[in-house]
Amino acid sequence: QVQLQESGPGLVKPSETLSLTCTVSGGSITVEYWSWIRQPPGKGLEWIGNIYYSGSFNYSPSLKSRASLSLDTSKNQFSLQLSSVTAADTAVYYCAKSPYSGYYDSWGQGTLVTVAS
Amino acid sequence: EIVLTQSPATLSVSPGERATLSCRASQSVNFNLAWYQEKPGQAPRLLIYGAYKRATDIPARFSGSGSGTEFTLTISSLQSEDFAIYYCQQYNIWPPGTFGPGTKVDIK
Repeated sequence: QVQLQESGPGLVKPSETLSLTCTVSGGSITVEYWSWIRQPPGKGLEWIGNIYYSGSFNYSPSLKSRASLSLDTSKNQFSLQLSSVTAADTAVYYCAKSPYSGYYDSWGQGTLVTVAS
Repeated sequence: EIVLTQSPATLSVSPGERATLSCRASQSVNFNLAWYQEKPGQAPRLLIYGAYKRATDIPARFSGSGSGTEFTLTISSLQSEDFAIYYCQQYNIWPPGTFGPGTKVDIK
């Protein structure tokens, strides 16, 4: 059973860069797709982007200019950086795993990131 | 972008009753639709994928049906632990694999 765990600062100042890491256990990051999804307070789920171990990645068009994904196979981790954050980026951020089909069969517990000064 | 619409927004059901949730897509997604359950403070849990296939360890009271643009999630006999928000997600065009706005199932 694959498990995912997000980590990173819970508070980020406006205009700075949000950085989160997802640690994967019970499975290898060199298979399947790895995604970041967020959920602003009281709102629905929004896909941010995904990455495959070969280095291919995709981003939401609305976040493409600010988001960057990477993975570290030696640590079995993948990461998200979101630059120039504003209050609108306040959300619970989830990391998730997709089989090659596109649905999400494993999720992290989520981490709340608040953007405030 | 494929837009998903879920109805109703809120469904009030008594324990033991059947709940029927709908998800409509703005264009055909074939059978590429998933359903998730979300409880407060917890990560979403995959219930159904491929429109009707139950995910691992999901009870048989959860069933999915439909294809194309019209889908249904049925909970045959609601248990106390089933009161939650349910999201549908299409992955016919993935990424991005858009989510619906959710249906909240609460206690009547």
